[in-house]
Amino acid sequence: GAVVSQHPSWVICKSGTSVKIECRSLDFQATTMFWYRQFPKQSLMLMATSNEGSKATYEQGVEKDKFLINHASLTLSTLTVTSAHPEDSSFYICSARPAAANTEAFFGQGTRLTVV
Amino acid sequence: QKEVEQNSGPLSVPEGAIASLNCTYSDRGSQSFFWYRQYSGKSPELIMSIYSNGDKEDGRFTAQLNKASQYVSLLIRDSQPSDSATYLCAVRDPFYNQGGKLIFGQGTELSVKP
Repeated sequence: GAVVSQHPSWVICKSGTSVKIECRSLDFQATTMFWYRQFPKQSLMLMATSNEGSKATYEQGVEKDKFLINHASLTLSTLTVTSAHPEDSSFYICSARPAAANTEAFFGQGTRLTVV
Repeated sequence: QKEVEQNSGPLSVPEGAIASLNCTYSDRGSQSFFWYRQYSGKSPELIMSIYSNGDKEDGRFTAQLNKASQYVSLLIRDSQPSDSATYLCAVRDPFYNQGGKLIFGQGTELSVKP
């Protein structure tokens, strides 16, 4: 099956710093990538949809200036959490969808972010 | 607001029993439905997709879809302790059908007791 690699798998950072998370599709080209956030005991909440070569579409309530998304190539999207605060601590998960129509999106392994 | 609803559980079944997980959705135009399994601390793993009314079987898993009732379910036969996980129901947002945007339910925690 298609492989999506997310890096790092966990990160601890200090308040006020920025953290970048990478999402790579290893064996397919992904025109669309999705970024989710999941708090403990809660479901996945879509943060933004990232389309290669264009600006990301953010969900209501997600600050686009705080969560910077870049999808510069068909195999890589990055999420940068800027000026991180403890309330940003969460499990961030990306998914990537192959360019072919009617195919499913595949999830990366997730990134556990802890802001101290 | 498009919604996907699941019982949060926990649902506890004995080993070897059938586990039944249920999901309802609000958007009647939805066409694509998915069940994901998520182990604690891990990302979701797709286990079933279903697009047409009726049943779809894959090994010990059976997905059932009833679009008229806006209801989708997942049956796990011969449940094993390794099936203990949170099961997420997801519906593709029909407005973004080609984009693949999914709406997730809150998940049902399943515990299979040896």
